[in-house]
Amino acid sequence: EIVLTQSPATLSLSPGDRATLSCRASQYVSSYLAWYQHKPGQAPRLLIYDGSDRATGVPARFSGNGSGTDFTLTISSLEPEDFAVYYCHQRSSWRSFGGGTKVEIK
Amino acid sequence: QVQLVQSGAEVKKPGSSVKVSCKASGGTFSNYGVNWVRQAPGLGLEWMGGIIAFFGSADYAQKFQGRVTITTDESTNTVYMELNSLTSDDTAMYYCARESVDTAMDVWGQGTTVIVSS
Repeated sequence: EIVLTQSPATLSLSPGDRATLSCRASQYVSSYLAWYQHKPGQAPRLLIYDGSDRATGVPARFSGNGSGTDFTLTISSLEPEDFAVYYCHQRSSWRSFGGGTKVEIK
Repeated sequence: QVQLVQSGAEVKKPGSSVKVSCKASGGTFSNYGVNWVRQAPGLGLEWMGGIIAFFGSADYAQKFQGRVTITTDESTNTVYMELNSLTSDDTAMYYCARESVDTAMDVWGQGTTVIVSS
């Protein structure tokens, strides 16, 4: 089973700040890495798939990078609606999620 | 635009089973996989298992092997997830999610709350 480790667990930032979230896989996952945004009371929302491709309707301030075992999600300038929990997810071997990074308002 | 509509909230006794449905509205599951993901209170997302596109067979996370069964009814565009031998640790929100071969889990159901309590 592939374990995904996300860091940091919590990111305290202000609107307009740049957010950088990391995800490390315990094994090689090629580019089969996605990122999701999850807000309370809502279903998760796909943001990035295949490491760096934005899903339909996702603003350009969200970008993904990486391949192999190390990946990053960058939010270039935080909007008020971006404060949420973000999960990485691999589909290279079975499926698994990282533990999440909470982006909170400082 | 396809939507996934899940069955309603459930309250179950320890040791019992629960079966949650996920119906595709405005489309079908043809050429897509369907996954089940849960979130227990205060915890993160956890993949339970899914039907992998094109293969049609179910794969399950090791943690749930032998306790979960995922089935499909193509005539009604519905996927089911049954979880047996429930304990309080199974209290969670359960989501179904469509998986495209080309992207990832791109369409999600609204979630079903399952509470296990004596």
